[in-house]
Amino acid sequence: GENVEQHPSTLSVQEGDSAVIKCTYSDSASNYFPWYKQELGKGPQLIIDIRSNVGEKKDQRIAVTLNKTAKHFSLHITETQPEDSAVYFCAASFFGNEKLTFGTGTRLTIIP
Amino acid sequence: EADIYQTPRYLVIGTGKKITLECSQTMGHDKMYWYQQDPGMELHLIHYSYGVNSTEKGDLSSESTVSRIRTEHFPLTLESARPSHTSQYLCASSESDTQYFGPGTRLLVL
Repeated sequence: GENVEQHPSTLSVQEGDSAVIKCTYSDSASNYFPWYKQELGKGPQLIIDIRSNVGEKKDQRIAVTLNKTAKHFSLHITETQPEDSAVYFCAASFFGNEKLTFGTGTRLTIIP
Repeated sequence: EADIYQTPRYLVIGTGKKITLECSQTMGHDKMYWYQQDPGMELHLIHYSYGVNSTEKGDLSSESTVSRIRTEHFPLTLESARPSHTSQYLCASSESDTQYFGPGTRLLVL
C-alpha cells in the first residue's frame, strides 16, 4: 500500500519568512495530493490540493509543488503570519481508491 | 466548503458504557469516513462507507462499529468503552477524492 513520509515534524519560522514542508510517497499510481491545516480543537481543513497532471498550484500565499519522477510534493507558505501556526498534514490517494494516506504531520509555529 | 457535523464535541464517560458518536453531512456525499487521531497527531482510518448499506473496516483495527442507513448519517458505536478508547474521533465525507472533515469528538474514558 501507499506510504507517505512528511518532514519536518516541527518547524519554527519568524513571522514574514517562508515555510516549506515536504512529503514523499511510495505508490507511483497516486495522483491526488491534498494538504490540510488543523488548528487546536478543530478538524483538518483542506487548504490546497494538486493532481498529478500539473506540477505547481498557487493560492495567494500558499503553493504546492509536485515532482512525480522523484515522488515528492511540498507545501510552501510565504509571508507567514501568526494565524498560520497549526499542524499541517499532507496526504495521497489515487483515482478509484479514495482512501487518503496521511503523512505524520508538521507542527508549524510562527514566531512574532 | 462542506457542512459536516459531529456530536458530541466532548464526552467523558465511565468504563463499560455504550456510546454512539454522531456524524452527519448535508452535501449528499456518498463516501464517509471515520478517523482516530491520538495526541501524536497521526490520523488513522478506522471505518469507511461508499454509500448506504456499505461499510468497511479501515487500516487501523478498532473495536467500534458503524452503520450507514441514510446517506447523510454515519454513526460510530462503542458497545463497551474502555480507557484505551480515549482519543479524538474525526468524521469526513467526500464526493470524489477530496475529503472534508468535521470538527471531531474528543472522547475520554475513565
